[in-house]
Amino acid sequence: AQTVTQSQPEMSVQEAETVTLSCTYDTSENNYYLFWYKQPPSRQMILVIRQEAYKQQNATENRFSVNFQKAAKSFSLKISDSQLGDTAMYFCAFAKQGGSEKLVFGKGTKLTVNP
Amino acid sequence: GAGVSQSPSNKVTEKGKDVELRCDPISGHTALYWYRQSLGQGLEFLIYFQGNSAPDKSGLPSDRFSAERTGGSVSTLTIQRTQQEDSAVYLCASSVVGQWVNSPLHFGNGTRLTVT
Repeated sequence: AQTVTQSQPEMSVQEAETVTLSCTYDTSENNYYLFWYKQPPSRQMILVIRQEAYKQQNATENRFSVNFQKAAKSFSLKISDSQLGDTAMYFCAFAKQGGSEKLVFGKGTKLTVNP
Repeated sequence: GAGVSQSPSNKVTEKGKDVELRCDPISGHTALYWYRQSLGQGLEFLIYFQGNSAPDKSGLPSDRFSAERTGGSVSTLTIQRTQQEDSAVYLCASSVVGQWVNSPLHFGNGTRLTVT
C-alpha cells in the first residue's frame, strides 16, 4: 500500500520570502501522480499543483513549484514570494496512474505567512 | 456546472442521535470519497466508492458509520448513536476514475458536525 509522509506539522514564513514544504512517499509503482492541495481557513480544498511521475521536468504554477525526486521518492513544494493568502493547510497526495484505488493523502502541514 | 455539493453545511446534534450527511458529486464523476477532518488536523479517509465496484470501507472508524451511494451519484454518510468524538468536518470529494491528469479530486465545502 502507498503511504505519504509530511514530516512538518507546522511551518511559518515571512511575507515575500520563500518556503519549502516536504513530502515523501512510498510506492512500488512506476507510473503515478503526485499532488499538492491547499486548504485555507474557509476549508475549501484547492488543487495547487500536480506532477506526473513519468515527466522529469518539475511542475510549476506561478509562485508554486515542486522538486520531484523520483528515485528518492520525494515531492517538495516551494512557495516563492509568500503572500498572506498562502496561509493554509497543505496536503501532499499520491495516486496510481489509471488505477481505481483511492487517492492517498499525507497528514498535512499548517503554513502561516506572517506580515 | 456546479461543483461538489454537501448538505447541511452545519449540523448540531445531541449525543446518541443519528445523523445523515449528503453529498452530490459532480455529474459524471465515478469516484466518490468521504473524509473526516478534526479541528486543525489532517484528512482521515473514511470510504471510497468507485463506479459499480464494492466500496472501500477500510477507513470507517466503527460500525456506527455507514455510507451509501445510490444510482452512482448521490451519497449519504450515516452516523448512528453519535458520540462527542464524532464532532468534525466531513468532506466529500469526487473525480473521474483513472483520469488524474484531467480530473483531479474536487472537494465539497464540507459539513461541520457538532455533537453536544
